[in-house]
Amino acid sequence: SAVISQKPSRDICQRGTSLTIQCQVDSQVTMMFWYRQQPGQSLTLIATANQGSEATYESGFVIDKFPISRPNLTFSTLTVSNMSPEDSSIYLCSARTGKVNEQFFGPGTRLTVL
Amino acid sequence: QKEVEQDPGPLSVPEGAIVSLNCTYSNSAFQYFMWYRQYSRKGPELLMYTYSSGNKEDGRFTAQVDKSSKYISLFIRDSQPSDSATYLCAMSGSDNFNKFYFGSGTKLNVKP
Repeated sequence: SAVISQKPSRDICQRGTSLTIQCQVDSQVTMMFWYRQQPGQSLTLIATANQGSEATYESGFVIDKFPISRPNLTFSTLTVSNMSPEDSSIYLCSARTGKVNEQFFGPGTRLTVL
Repeated sequence: QKEVEQDPGPLSVPEGAIVSLNCTYSNSAFQYFMWYRQYSRKGPELLMYTYSSGNKEDGRFTAQVDKSSKYISLFIRDSQPSDSATYLCAMSGSDNFNKFYFGSGTKLNVKP
């Protein structure tokens, strides 16, 4: 398994600003993922972040809005840019440790945009 | 149509009851089936996973997959108040193992 931490745990931001969320894993992992979880809805994959290459974005998510960095095998950041109230959500980082069906999640970042 | 459907509940049961949680799906390419438990204001915690069809047991938890019906289940025996949480099913397929499709979660409340 992997222990994953995220910073910040929560934030309240103003419309038009940007927030960078950090994700730290306690071991080296091949793949990291960023999800969004809106109240009462399922987790939605934003992008897959591989070390040394550009992130792969899912339909409906673009790099200009959600730039991602993956500088090494234990760390990634997700930036939510030019925020609007519709971006209010929980953002979750996950990591795959080895087996294709094992993704472990961080505690999430609860974002409120006013 | 959503890829994965899950009854949101809430499901309320007395302590000691057997709980059945279910998901249906539409994509026949799904091969990996996972169950996550999520406590309030926490991240999802991987409980169990199965590959293709069949059953898998781990302590009080049993996962079942019926690919012919596109239906998966998680059974919890001797449920405890500490099992109170939201349970999420997730699945992925041969086209992209890394992309997990999640159900919306079933909220379970086990009453002492």
